[in-house]
Amino acid sequence: EVVLTQSPGILSLSPGEGATLSCRASQSVNSNYLAWYQQKPGQAPRLLIYGASNRATGIPHRFSGSGSGTDFTLTIGSLEPEDFAVYFCQQYGSSPLTFGGGTKVEIK
Amino acid sequence: QVQLVQSGAEVKKPGASVKVSCKASGYTFTAYPIHWVRLASGQRPEWMGWINAGDGDTRYSQKFQGRVTISSDTSGSTAYMELKSLRSEDAAMYFCARIGSSDAFDLWGQGTLVTVSS
Repeated sequence: EVVLTQSPGILSLSPGEGATLSCRASQSVNSNYLAWYQQKPGQAPRLLIYGASNRATGIPHRFSGSGSGTDFTLTIGSLEPEDFAVYFCQQYGSSPLTFGGGTKVEIK
Repeated sequence: QVQLVQSGAEVKKPGASVKVSCKASGYTFTAYPIHWVRLASGQRPEWMGWINAGDGDTRYSQKFQGRVTISSDTSGSTAYMELKSLRSEDAAMYFCARIGSSDAFDLWGQGTLVTVSS
């Protein structure tokens, strides 16, 4: 099973600042099948990035994904008020599909 | 409107079973797999299994093998997830999610809260 470790656990930032979230895999993620999701309280997760670096439909350009193999990064260029949420990474390159523990981006 | 709509919250006693439904609309149900993911408070999301809505083929996470059954009704464009022998640790929000052309979960249901309490 591919174990995903996200860091930091909590990121305290102000609107307008940039955010860098990390996701490290215990083994190489097949075909870089790594996705990022945003989840707000009481809502379902929302797909942001798939294939490590591809923005999903309708996702603003301030969200970008990078990385390959075992190290992946989600970057938010300039935080908008609606970006404060929990972010999960997920690998879908091998079974079982697994998720990271999440990074909470909170308002400083 | 493309969406997945799940059944309402459930309260179950330990040892009981729960069956959650997920109705698809706005797209061809049989063209996309449906997966089930649960999220317990303070835990990371857990993948439970999936169904090929086209032919009914299923695959389950080893963690839930033997306790979970995923099924579908193509005439009603609905997928189901049944979890048996519930224990307190099964209390969570259960989501269905579609795998889209991106191979990631591009469409999610709104979630169904399952409470397990004696």
